[in-house]
Amino acid sequence: NAGVTQTPKFQVLKTGQSMTLQCAQDMNHNSMYWYRQDPGMGLRLIYYSASEGTTDKGEVPNGYNVSRLNKREFSLRLESAAPSQTSVYFCASSERTSTDTQYFGPGTRLTVL
Amino acid sequence: AQSVAQPEDQVNVAEGNPLTVKCTYSVSGNPYLFWYVQYPNRGLQFLLKYITGDNLVKGSYGFEAEFNKSQTSFHLKKPSALVSDSALYFCAVRREDSNYQLIWGAGTKLIIKP
Repeated sequence: NAGVTQTPKFQVLKTGQSMTLQCAQDMNHNSMYWYRQDPGMGLRLIYYSASEGTTDKGEVPNGYNVSRLNKREFSLRLESAAPSQTSVYFCASSERTSTDTQYFGPGTRLTVL
Repeated sequence: AQSVAQPEDQVNVAEGNPLTVKCTYSVSGNPYLFWYVQYPNRGLQFLLKYITGDNLVKGSYGFEAEFNKSQTSFHLKKPSALVSDSALYFCAVRREDSNYQLIWGAGTKLIIKP
């Protein structure tokens, strides 16, 4: 039982490059989330998926796209990376809504030069 | 506007002493409140939550939190701190207009000194 897994753990991009962050959960959760964490700012929600086949914007969606590939997997894509997207990205899942416990992955540390 | 505030960037406590990490919130209705902990280079882990009921909520690792509606606070407490409690602590409240979004505090770094 691995919980929530994320790949890669680290990534360095040049401005304008694209990449996809992968996330998978094995807890049969309906809801999945993508957050970014910046120093002194807590967590900010980028996108979430309440159930397979649905996605919705969070607080800071600009510059990102997501895909809920199936119930297990939820990917985050940066089409044209910018230095402002340098951050630590966390994927999380919960059984249903945000009042259920959220389980977090280990994070991806992304640097955009 | 809905918000969460953690007024202390860092809290220093000697091992064995009681600890308190402060959190205040602003919502118009009944709040759903949470505490999560982040150890270095790890994802966040759930500690406890208040949805309704008893104002004193007990959680993981010996932590508890007291919901105070009149002071709009949800402070995290532990009677006797351990060095292993050193971590980053986040308070969060559920957004009133969404079942899926939380508003997070900026985090408080807790340092327990031997």
